[in-house]
Amino acid sequence: NAGVMQNPRHLVRRRGQEARLRCSPMKGHSHVYWYRQLPEEGLKFMVYLQKENIIDESGMPKERFSAEFPKEGPSILRIQQVVRGDSAAYFCASSPDYNEQFFGPGTRLTVL
Amino acid sequence: EDKVVQSPLSLVVHEGDTVTLNCSYEVTNFRSLLWYKQEKKAPTFLFMLTSSGIEKKSGRLSSILDKKELFSILNITATQTGDSAIYLCAVPFSGGGADGLTFGKGTHLIIQP
Repeated sequence: NAGVMQNPRHLVRRRGQEARLRCSPMKGHSHVYWYRQLPEEGLKFMVYLQKENIIDESGMPKERFSAEFPKEGPSILRIQQVVRGDSAAYFCASSPDYNEQFFGPGTRLTVL
Repeated sequence: EDKVVQSPLSLVVHEGDTVTLNCSYEVTNFRSLLWYKQEKKAPTFLFMLTSSGIEKKSGRLSSILDKKELFSILNITATQTGDSAIYLCAVPFSGGGADGLTFGKGTHLIIQP
């Protein structure tokens, strides 16, 4: 049973470009979460999704950030017009129910 | 606002020592508390605690929850260099359902040979 998959593992973008981060949850998991870890800070919740639904996006910046979890395919976190402050590690986690969350290896985004 | 505070923020010990990591929390509707180990990649799940006073154990690691005093501890006995990592404590927020986690800043543990 493969774990949570994220790609790419490393992503470099110039200011103003778009970043697309992908997450495939563990088999049988219908809950997906995105977290951001800034340098020297803890993990911060961004958004919680189930298939085709955003359940809680209270941690997501109001502008430039969006997330989806389509019926088919991975969950996508999209950052438009990236700025240097978006440089961080973005982790995806999945859960089968209301219990523990299992994390993917993360995508390290660097904005030049 | 939910809050999770971990202490110490960093700790350096020698191999073979025993360490105790602390996590205190304030959350509106407590359901569980989780511990994770983070090396240079994904946080790895260690324990989920829901009931006071019941110790969870996995090898040299153990953890216990005190819901009256709102804290948990993670113990590691006979530490090894492979235990060096950031240990994260987290609680689910909001009122129910599968919610996001509020994390503490972590304890950076370094085990010296």
